[in-house]
Amino acid sequence: DTGVSQDPRHKITKRGQNVTFRCDPISEHNRLYWYRQTLGQGPEFLTYFQNEAQLEKSRLLSDRFSAERPKGSFSTLEIQRTEQGDSAMYLCASSFGQAGGTDTQYFGPGTRLTVL
Amino acid sequence: GNSVTQMEGPVTLSEEAFLTINCTYTATGYPSLFWYVQYPGEGLQLLLKATKADDKGSNKGFEATYRKETTSFHLEKGSVQVSDSAVYFCALSDMDTGRRALTFGSGTRLQVQP
Repeated sequence: DTGVSQDPRHKITKRGQNVTFRCDPISEHNRLYWYRQTLGQGPEFLTYFQNEAQLEKSRLLSDRFSAERPKGSFSTLEIQRTEQGDSAMYLCASSFGQAGGTDTQYFGPGTRLTVL
Repeated sequence: GNSVTQMEGPVTLSEEAFLTINCTYTATGYPSLFWYVQYPGEGLQLLLKATKADDKGSNKGFEATYRKETTSFHLEKGSVQVSDSAVYFCALSDMDTGRRALTFGSGTRLQVQP
């Protein structure tokens, strides 16, 4: 069990550019979550996958954001036409869940995005 | 909607002092409650959890009891160490509403001085 990994750890981009982040969950975890954390705040939910299906999206996820989990393993989060307000830490979490139960989410180290 | 309120920090204590970090919540259903910790330069780690009323979660000397009547999940430790310095987040998930996503509080920074 190598834990949740995220790549890159840091990304600096110019306003208007597109960026893509990758998350590799703990193997055999069927659920994967994306959160965003700004300085001094708790993480805020963005979106959630069960296997390859995207089951829930937050209102925070504007149409410039898209997430995929094509084979139910790793996931990517893309931000198009970045804005300075997108600067934040993007966190990925995974869990193994069964119907009706409470699953425990394990977090990766995050990708820190700075938009200049 | 769901929300979590934590006491504002920073909380500054001397080593071996008693710690309490208050957490209260509002939820539509019957949530599960969590404490996560973020050490400097590291990711969020699960510290403890409780899934039903009167459950006590515990780990590494930390404890929190799920109090449904007061909608609270306060974190306590009898004797803190310098190594406990970190940011602590209270969170809930509300399965009754089908939302698996965690709702977090804004975090409480703990600074323990030797």
